[in-house]
Amino acid sequence: DVVMTQSPFSLSVTLGQPASISCRSSQSLLYIDGFTYLNWFQWRPGQSPRRLIYQVSKRDSGVPDRFSGSGSGTDFTLKISRVEAEDVGIYYCMQGTHWPRTFGQGTKVEIK
Amino acid sequence: EVQLVESGGGLVQPGGSLRLSCAASGFIFSTHAMNWVRQAPGKGLEWVSSISPTGDDTYYADSVKGRFTISRDNFKNTLYLQMNSLRGEDTAVYYCANRWNFDSWGQGTLVTVSS
Repeated sequence: DVVMTQSPFSLSVTLGQPASISCRSSQSLLYIDGFTYLNWFQWRPGQSPRRLIYQVSKRDSGVPDRFSGSGSGTDFTLKISRVEAEDVGIYYCMQGTHWPRTFGQGTKVEIK
Repeated sequence: EVQLVESGGGLVQPGGSLRLSCAASGFIFSTHAMNWVRQAPGKGLEWVSSISPTGDDTYYADSVKGRFTISRDNFKNTLYLQMNSLRGEDTAVYYCANRWNFDSWGQGTLVTVSS
């Protein structure tokens, strides 16, 4: 199975400051069709998960442009350019290239 | 607007069975893959199972293989998860999500396995 390793485990950020979450996979996520199926999800307590980013860097409709994704191969990053109060939650990366699908362990984002 | 509404969760004894449903609307259900993902209390997200648009191809996590069965009814726009031989570690909120890339998610249904 592809192991997804996120860091840090938790992040305490001052409002308006940037935040960055790393996600590393144990195998390349580049699929034979040329696409890399790496998603980022946001989970807020009491809500269902929401996809923010798909295929490494494509932002979903309605997702603020302060969220951005980057990376390739086995090394990926989610960045929040200026953290807002509504960004509090747990962020997960997930690979959709290999079976079984696997998630990172999650990164908790809090406001300092 | 995509809507996914899970139902069928509840309290069940170890060894028991439960069938979850996910009613879909707002997209052409029969042309998209569907997925089940769960979140145990205080834990992260765990992929459970996926099914192709026609239902011909199904995929399972090792933790549920042989006990859970994913299926779909493209006439009723509904996804199912038949869960047998339930264990305490199956206790979780179960979410359905649409498309291979998990585009949209339902609100989840809680399954509690306890005596």
